[in-house]
Amino acid sequence: DQQVKQNSPSLSVQEGRISILNCDYTNSMFDYFLWYKKYPAEGPTFLISISSIKDKNEDGRFTVFLNKSAKHLSLHIVPSQPGDSAVYFCAASARGGGSNYKLTFGKGTLLTVNP
Amino acid sequence: NAGVMQNPRHLVRRRGQEARLRCSPMKGHSHVYWYRQLPEEGLKFMVYLQKENIIDESGMPKERFSAEFPKEGPSILRIQQVVRGDSAAYFCASSPPNQNYEAFFGQGTRLTVV
Repeated sequence: DQQVKQNSPSLSVQEGRISILNCDYTNSMFDYFLWYKKYPAEGPTFLISISSIKDKNEDGRFTVFLNKSAKHLSLHIVPSQPGDSAVYFCAASARGGGSNYKLTFGKGTLLTVNP
Repeated sequence: NAGVMQNPRHLVRRRGQEARLRCSPMKGHSHVYWYRQLPEEGLKFMVYLQKENIIDESGMPKERFSAEFPKEGPSILRIQQVVRGDSAAYFCASSPPNQNYEAFFGQGTRLTVV
């Protein structure tokens, strides 16, 4: 049972345009959400996070939006750069629960930014 | 400031052999987590350890898999009698005390069982 879903296995955008990566979740206990970026043969690198008490968090070119009622979050990258090409994982945890350390990951979306 | 160090990066084992994967957490981090990524899948939680304690092993297969984080030395994920289905990337992450919801990942060990 996939509790975190990234329904787009891949996304291709032009350099300078906006990249929008989507993520849906089913577990209403999740209250903290993270995006990780992963290059081939490397480990995931933390990118940005958002708590369920917020609906938006911004860090430079990266913005994460959370819609709790829809159980949906998205990562916006603008402007997109070729170096952003990587697999992006959405992850969630239940910080208010007893297992706040446990991250549940989606399957990832491969982003390709074309020069 | 070294990150999370995992070794080996690549490990090839024949069916039935044992695999030992090592993880040294970041300096100052006393919490270690192991995740497994099967082909075409996301990372799946396996186990959470603190020094000399297994806190949560709910994601570990019941047989053949074990993990430890001794007082001295790295954390070890041990897989006995490996099978082809164990082929995967195994990632270790660490976090400091009181901040265990944002973990830093190592580069992973890619295990191939032939």
